[in-house]
Amino acid sequence: DAGVTQSPTHLIKTRGQQVTLRCSPISGHKSVSWYQQVLGQGPQFIFQYYEKEERGRGNFPDRFSARQFPNYSSELNVNALLLGDSALYLCATGGTPEETQYFGPGTRLLVL
Amino acid sequence: DQQVKQNSPSLSVQEGRISILNCDYTNSMFDYFLWYKKYPAEGPTFLISISSIKDKNEDGRFTVFLNKSAKHLSLHIVPSQPGDSAVYFCAARGFGNEKLTFGTGTRLTIIP
Repeated sequence: DAGVTQSPTHLIKTRGQQVTLRCSPISGHKSVSWYQQVLGQGPQFIFQYYEKEERGRGNFPDRFSARQFPNYSSELNVNALLLGDSALYLCATGGTPEETQYFGPGTRLLVL
Repeated sequence: DQQVKQNSPSLSVQEGRISILNCDYTNSMFDYFLWYKKYPAEGPTFLISISSIKDKNEDGRFTVFLNKSAKHLSLHIVPSQPGDSAVYFCAARGFGNEKLTFGTGTRLTIIP
């Protein structure tokens, strides 16, 4: 079975630009969560979506938004990029929000 | 406010010996705890979890212990193998709360 997939694997942007990251869940998984991991820290929760509805939001500015599609894949959008947005962005999926979340390999974003 | 703490940034253990990784938490609403392992350039891999109604859970070489009164959990790996060298994250979740709160990680190095 294919695991969680994320695209792109790496991305370089400049300040002020916008970026879209994509996540495809494990087959049968309907819950998708997004996390940001900066160097030396643990992943920080950004969003969770379940059945195409937002179930939770972390302490991130409105520049961060996400959505989930009918096939349960998800996109994370970040507008007006700042240098501090440079991080590894992780997607995690599960059957339901209460079940164990399985992570994808992440997208490494560098903002210059 | 770091609600999940891993106070040891690194740990070195001889191959074949026991590795013990520790985690403390402050939020008494956490009721489910997980350990993830992370290799460089990969997403976190789920290892083992424990519900707050238990004090121990085993899966092969991995055992997690939970001491609710001390708000402390630990991961034991016996025997330690070179492939166990990775960064280990402790994570916690509250009842009805979908987000995972992670510690900052402990880098485990197994010495052959």
